[in-house]
Amino acid sequence: AQSVTQLDSQVPVFEEAPVELRCNYSSSVSVYLFWYVQYPNQGLQLLLKYLSGSTLVKGINGFEAEFNKSQTSFHLRKPSVHISDTAEYFCAVSASTGFQKLVFGTGTRLLVSP
Amino acid sequence: DTAVSQTPKYLVTQMGNDKSIKCEQNLGHDTMYWYKQDSKKFLKIMFSYNNKELIINETVPNRFSPKSPDKAHLNLHINSLELGDSAVYFCASSQADRGGYGYTFGSGTRLTVV
Repeated sequence: AQSVTQLDSQVPVFEEAPVELRCNYSSSVSVYLFWYVQYPNQGLQLLLKYLSGSTLVKGINGFEAEFNKSQTSFHLRKPSVHISDTAEYFCAVSASTGFQKLVFGTGTRLLVSP
Repeated sequence: DTAVSQTPKYLVTQMGNDKSIKCEQNLGHDTMYWYKQDSKKFLKIMFSYNNKELIINETVPNRFSPKSPDKAHLNLHINSLELGDSAVYFCASSQADRGGYGYTFGSGTRLTVV
């Protein structure tokens, strides 16, 4: 079985500052990794995903994430955040074989202030 | 056109009632899912259907029964509603039941049991 740990429940940051949201996963098999964003009262939207290949993955809205197999991490970064990035961010994992079943972390609330 | 649409968006009902939530996707995806998001924002998979066949059935009370009349629809019927069923229920779809396609989510149904 897979599991995900998002170490920070909330990350406050000022506008135009860089941000990193941390995600660690656990799995006995190889995995696919995802980051989703949830704006208030909306569904989740895919930001980016890692399947294989280059460990640095670029996504929408200027976000990127780096897969680190040895540290079982998939941290999300953005060099300069905007007020509009305020949202809940979820890291998710699925096994790379068998039925796809996304297992989500508990989420990190990114709070961007002026 | 909304890719994954859920109805209703809000549902307030009394304990003991039976209610249904409908989900439709127009993406031509083969696989659909129901997730429950609790008050702490934790997302947990409930069911998954691939081409109308149940492939994932997590530990969910028998009061919850999914139905997939065709691969574009996955409805969720809940009998004898309890206070603990209050949550946001998300429908999602995926291109296939395996591989790293990720999900497209609906905007959620907020169920409140009083």
